[in-house]
Amino acid sequence: GESVGLHLPTLSVQEGDNSIINCAYSNSASDYFIWYKQESGKGPQFIIDIRSNMDKRQGQRVTVLLNKTVKHLSLQIAATQPGDSAVYFCAEKSYGQNFVFGPGTRLSVLP
Amino acid sequence: NAGVTQTPKFRVLKTGQSMTLLCAQDMNHEYMYWYRQDPGMGLRLIHYSVGEGTTAKGKVPDGYNVSRLKKQNFLLGLESAAPSQTSVYFCASSYGGQGGTEAFFGQGTRLTVV
Repeated sequence: GESVGLHLPTLSVQEGDNSIINCAYSNSASDYFIWYKQESGKGPQFIIDIRSNMDKRQGQRVTVLLNKTVKHLSLQIAATQPGDSAVYFCAEKSYGQNFVFGPGTRLSVLP
Repeated sequence: NAGVTQTPKFRVLKTGQSMTLLCAQDMNHEYMYWYRQDPGMGLRLIHYSVGEGTTAKGKVPDGYNVSRLKKQNFLLGLESAAPSQTSVYFCASSYGGQGGTEAFFGQGTRLTVV
C-alpha cells in the first residue's frame, strides 16, 4: 500500500543555517506532493507544493525537491529562523485518492 | 475570509456520551475532510465528502458519523465516545480532490474522553 514517511523525526539547526527535511514515499503513482508546517496548538499550514512533472520548486526561503527515481521528497529552508520551529509534514496524493500524510518532523531552531 | 473554522476548540467527554464537531468553510470548496491526529502518527482520514449531500469513509471511520447537508458545513459525530477517541481532530477543505490542490485546515478540536 501507499505510505509516506520521514527519515528524521527531529531536527535541530542553528539559527541562520539551512534546514533540510526529508520524506520518502512508496506510491509511484503519486503525482502531487505538499509540505505543511504545524505550529504548536495550530492546524497545518500549507508551505509549498510540487507536481510530479517537476523536480524542483522554489518559494520564499523554501525549496522543494522531488526525486521520482528514488521516491524522495525534501524541503529546504534557507537561513532558518526561530519562527520556523514547528512540525513539518509531507503529504502525497495520487489521482482519485486522498492525501496520505507522514508522521512529521519536528524542527527546532537553536539560538 | 475566515477559511476553515472548527467548533468547539476543546471538549471533555465522559465515556458513552455523544457530541458533534462542527466545521465551516467559506471558500466554496467542494471537498471537505475530517482527520484525527495522534502523537507520533500522521493525520489519519476519518471521513470525507466530495460535495454537498455526499460522504465517504476514510481510513479510520469506526465510531464516527458525518453529514454534509450544506456545502459549507461538515459535521463529525461521535455517538458513544470511547477513550480511544481522545485525539486532536482537524477539519480541512479543498477545491478539488481529484486534480490535486492544497487542503486548508482548521485550528483543531482537542477532545478528551474520560
